[in-house]
Amino acid sequence: DTEVTQTPKHLVMGMTNKKSLKCEQHMGHRAMYWYKQKAKKPPELMFVYSYEKLSINESVPSRFSPECPNSSLLNLHLHALQPEDSALYLCASSQDGGLAKNIQYFGAGTRLSVL
Amino acid sequence: GESVGLHLPTLSVQEGDNSIINCAYSNSASDYFIWYKQESGKGPQFIIDIRSNMDKRQGQRVTVLLNKTVKHLSLQIAATQPGDSAVYFCAENMGNYGQNFVFGPGTRLSVLP
Repeated sequence: DTEVTQTPKHLVMGMTNKKSLKCEQHMGHRAMYWYKQKAKKPPELMFVYSYEKLSINESVPSRFSPECPNSSLLNLHLHALQPEDSALYLCASSQDGGLAKNIQYFGAGTRLSVL
Repeated sequence: GESVGLHLPTLSVQEGDNSIINCAYSNSASDYFIWYKQESGKGPQFIIDIRSNMDKRQGQRVTVLLNKTVKHLSLQIAATQPGDSAVYFCAENMGNYGQNFVFGPGTRLSVLP
Protein backbone atom coordinates (compact mmCIF):
# COMPACT_ATOMS: atom_id res chain seq x y z
CA ASP A 1 0.00 0.00 0.00
CA THR A 2 1.67 3.24 -1.18
CA GLU A 3 -1.34 5.43 -0.67
CA VAL A 4 -1.60 8.81 0.97
CA THR A 5 -5.23 9.76 1.47
CA GLN A 6 -6.35 13.37 1.70
CA THR A 7 -9.78 14.66 2.69
CA PRO A 8 -11.74 16.53 1.57
CA LYS A 9 -10.94 16.55 -2.13
CA HIS A 10 -12.52 19.99 -2.54
CA LEU A 11 -13.20 22.72 0.00
CA VAL A 12 -14.80 26.13 -0.34
CA MET A 13 -14.58 28.44 2.65
CA GLY A 14 -15.16 32.04 3.56
CA MET A 15 -12.48 34.27 5.03
CA THR A 16 -13.98 34.01 8.51
CA ASN A 17 -14.37 30.23 8.52
CA LYS A 18 -12.30 27.64 10.35
CA LYS A 19 -11.69 24.37 8.54
CA SER A 20 -9.22 21.50 8.60
CA LEU A 21 -7.50 19.42 5.94
CA LYS A 22 -6.70 15.84 6.78
CA CYS A 23 -4.04 13.43 5.56
CA GLU A 24 -3.50 9.77 6.39
CA GLN A 25 -0.92 7.15 5.47
CA HIS A 26 -0.44 3.55 6.59
CA MET A 27 3.00 2.88 5.12
CA GLY A 28 4.78 3.25 8.46
CA HIS A 29 6.39 6.46 7.27
CA ARG A 30 7.73 8.77 9.98
CA ALA A 31 7.97 12.03 8.01
CA MET A 32 4.92 13.89 6.73
CA TYR A 33 4.73 17.05 4.65
CA TRP A 34 2.35 19.83 3.60
CA TYR A 35 2.86 21.57 0.26
CA LYS A 36 0.94 24.36 -1.44
CA GLN A 37 0.59 24.33 -5.22
CA LYS A 38 -0.83 27.19 -7.24
CA ALA A 39 -2.05 26.59 -10.80
CA LYS A 40 0.76 25.92 -13.30
CA LYS A 41 3.37 26.24 -10.54
CA PRO A 42 5.49 23.68 -8.68
CA PRO A 43 4.61 22.50 -5.18
CA GLU A 44 6.06 24.70 -2.43
CA LEU A 45 7.01 23.18 0.90
CA MET A 46 5.10 24.52 3.90
CA PHE A 47 5.72 22.17 6.85
CA VAL A 48 7.56 18.94 7.66
CA TYR A 49 6.92 16.67 10.63
CA SER A 50 9.52 14.09 11.55
CA TYR A 51 8.62 11.52 14.20
CA GLU A 52 5.58 13.64 15.05
CA LYS A 53 7.66 16.75 15.75
CA LEU A 54 7.66 19.83 13.56
CA SER A 55 11.05 19.91 11.87
CA ILE A 56 10.55 22.48 9.10
CA ASN A 57 8.26 25.54 8.94
CA GLU A 58 8.92 27.50 5.77
CA SER A 59 7.82 30.84 7.28
CA VAL A 60 4.17 30.02 6.72
CA PRO A 61 1.62 32.57 8.03
CA SER A 62 0.01 31.64 11.34
CA ARG A 63 -3.41 31.33 9.73
CA PHE A 64 -2.12 27.88 8.71
CA SER A 65 -1.63 25.62 11.72
CA PRO A 66 -0.30 22.08 11.26
CA GLU A 67 -0.87 19.22 13.66
CA CYS A 68 0.47 15.67 13.75
CA PRO A 69 -1.67 13.67 16.22
CA ASN A 70 0.21 10.43 15.49
CA SER A 71 2.60 8.97 12.95
CA SER A 72 -0.19 8.15 10.50
CA LEU A 73 -2.14 11.39 10.58
CA LEU A 74 -1.43 14.97 9.59
CA ASN A 75 -3.85 17.87 9.81
CA LEU A 76 -3.72 21.42 8.53
CA HIS A 77 -6.00 23.80 10.42
CA LEU A 78 -7.13 26.85 8.49
CA HIS A 79 -8.43 30.10 9.97
CA ALA A 80 -9.01 33.57 8.54
CA LEU A 81 -7.62 32.69 5.15
CA GLN A 82 -7.30 35.13 2.26
CA PRO A 83 -8.44 34.61 -1.34
CA GLU A 84 -4.78 34.30 -2.40
CA ASP A 85 -4.55 31.17 -0.25
CA SER A 86 -6.73 29.38 -2.79
CA ALA A 87 -4.60 26.52 -4.13
CA LEU A 88 -4.10 22.77 -4.20
CA TYR A 89 -2.78 21.57 -0.83
CA LEU A 90 -0.72 18.41 -1.10
CA CYS A 91 0.27 16.03 1.66
CA ALA A 92 3.22 13.67 1.33
CA SER A 93 5.00 11.11 3.48
CA SER A 94 8.41 9.45 3.47
CA GLN A 95 10.31 6.89 5.50
CA ASP A 96 12.65 9.50 6.99
CA GLY A 97 15.61 7.19 7.39
CA GLY A 98 18.23 9.32 5.64
CA LEU A 99 18.70 10.71 2.17
CA ALA A 100 17.75 7.77 -0.02
CA LYS A 101 14.77 6.94 2.16
CA ASN A 102 13.08 10.27 1.81
CA ILE A 103 11.35 9.67 -1.48
CA GLN A 104 8.03 11.32 -0.90
CA TYR A 105 4.69 9.75 -1.72
CA PHE A 106 2.00 12.31 -2.43
CA GLY A 107 -1.73 12.34 -1.96
CA ALA A 108 -4.06 13.70 -4.64
CA GLY A 109 -4.50 16.94 -2.76
CA THR A 110 -7.31 19.14 -1.47
CA ARG A 111 -8.38 21.89 -3.83
CA LEU A 112 -9.17 24.89 -1.63
CA SER A 113 -11.13 27.95 -2.70
CA VAL A 114 -11.32 30.94 -0.35
CA LEU A 115 -14.15 33.34 -1.08
CA GLY B 1 9.24 21.18 -30.11
CA GLU B 2 9.57 23.12 -26.87
CA SER B 3 8.01 26.45 -26.00
CA VAL B 4 8.83 28.57 -22.98
CA GLY B 5 6.83 31.58 -22.03
CA LEU B 6 5.19 33.16 -19.05
CA HIS B 7 3.41 29.92 -18.29
CA LEU B 8 4.46 26.32 -17.94
CA PRO B 9 7.00 25.27 -20.61
CA THR B 10 5.53 22.68 -22.94
CA LEU B 11 7.24 19.93 -24.89
CA SER B 12 5.27 18.23 -27.67
CA VAL B 13 6.50 14.90 -29.05
CA GLN B 14 5.13 12.26 -31.39
CA GLU B 15 4.08 8.97 -29.90
CA GLY B 16 6.98 6.54 -30.13
CA ASP B 17 9.67 9.22 -30.21
CA ASN B 18 12.10 9.84 -27.39
CA SER B 19 11.52 12.82 -25.06
CA ILE B 20 14.12 14.91 -23.30
CA ILE B 21 13.03 17.18 -20.48
CA ASN B 22 15.56 19.60 -19.05
CA CYS B 23 15.95 21.21 -15.66
CA ALA B 24 18.41 23.74 -14.27
CA TYR B 25 18.93 23.57 -10.53
CA SER B 26 20.08 26.34 -8.27
CA ASN B 27 22.28 25.00 -5.48
CA SER B 28 25.73 23.68 -6.37
CA ALA B 29 25.77 21.89 -2.99
CA SER B 30 22.62 19.87 -3.71
CA ASP B 31 23.47 16.18 -3.38
CA TYR B 32 20.30 14.41 -4.38
CA PHE B 33 17.71 14.93 -7.11
CA ILE B 34 14.34 13.42 -7.96
CA TRP B 35 12.13 13.57 -11.03
CA TYR B 36 8.37 13.57 -10.42
CA LYS B 37 5.46 13.17 -12.83
CA GLN B 38 2.17 14.93 -12.07
CA GLU B 39 -0.93 13.96 -14.01
CA SER B 40 -4.02 16.14 -14.02
CA GLY B 41 -5.94 15.84 -10.75
CA LYS B 42 -3.20 13.86 -9.01
CA GLY B 43 -0.26 14.49 -6.75
CA PRO B 44 3.33 14.17 -7.98
CA GLN B 45 4.54 10.62 -8.51
CA PHE B 46 8.19 9.51 -8.10
CA ILE B 47 9.87 8.49 -11.37
CA ILE B 48 13.61 8.24 -10.72
CA ASP B 49 16.30 9.67 -8.47
CA ILE B 50 20.03 10.32 -8.71
CA ARG B 51 22.75 11.18 -6.22
CA SER B 52 25.38 13.79 -6.96
CA ASN B 53 28.15 11.16 -7.08
CA MET B 54 26.58 9.75 -10.26
CA ASP B 55 26.12 11.31 -13.69
CA LYS B 56 23.64 8.84 -15.13
CA ARG B 57 20.96 6.49 -13.85
CA GLN B 58 18.58 4.31 -15.81
CA GLY B 59 15.15 3.00 -14.99
CA GLN B 60 12.45 1.40 -17.01
CA ARG B 61 12.20 3.55 -20.19
CA VAL B 62 13.64 6.52 -18.31
CA THR B 63 17.19 7.84 -17.89
CA VAL B 64 18.31 10.74 -15.76
CA LEU B 65 21.52 12.62 -16.59
CA LEU B 66 23.25 14.96 -14.16
CA ASN B 67 25.80 17.59 -15.18
CA LYS B 68 27.09 19.21 -12.01
CA THR B 69 29.43 21.54 -13.89
CA VAL B 70 26.50 23.47 -15.34
CA LYS B 71 23.92 22.49 -12.69
CA HIS B 72 21.72 20.71 -15.16
CA LEU B 73 19.50 17.64 -15.03
CA SER B 74 17.69 15.94 -17.86
CA LEU B 75 15.06 13.23 -18.02
CA GLN B 76 14.97 11.06 -21.10
CA ILE B 77 11.86 9.00 -21.83
CA ALA B 78 12.24 6.32 -24.49
CA ALA B 79 9.40 5.45 -26.88
CA THR B 80 7.05 8.06 -25.42
CA GLN B 81 3.49 6.87 -24.91
CA PRO B 82 0.19 8.76 -24.49
CA GLY B 83 0.23 7.80 -20.81
CA ASP B 84 3.43 9.83 -20.42
CA SER B 85 1.49 13.07 -20.97
CA ALA B 86 1.84 15.00 -17.72
CA VAL B 87 3.81 17.77 -16.01
CA TYR B 88 7.33 16.74 -15.03
CA PHE B 89 9.18 18.36 -12.13
CA CYS B 90 12.77 17.99 -11.07
CA ALA B 91 13.37 18.45 -7.35
CA GLU B 92 16.68 19.15 -5.61
CA ASN B 93 17.51 18.32 -2.03
CA MET B 94 18.26 21.47 -0.07
CA GLY B 95 19.25 19.70 3.12
CA ASN B 96 17.75 18.33 6.32
CA TYR B 97 18.59 14.76 5.26
CA GLY B 98 16.31 14.85 2.25
CA GLN B 99 13.26 16.42 3.85
CA ASN B 100 13.67 19.80 2.20
CA PHE B 101 13.19 19.53 -1.55
CA VAL B 102 12.75 22.48 -3.87
CA PHE B 103 10.85 21.77 -7.08
CA GLY B 104 11.78 23.22 -10.44
CA PRO B 105 9.18 25.11 -12.50
CA GLY B 106 8.02 22.01 -14.36
CA THR B 107 7.57 21.05 -18.01
CA ARG B 108 4.32 19.87 -19.57
CA LEU B 109 4.84 16.93 -21.90
CA SER B 110 2.19 16.47 -24.59
CA VAL B 111 2.29 13.26 -26.62
CA LEU B 112 0.81 13.62 -30.09
CA PRO B 113 -0.84 10.60 -31.78
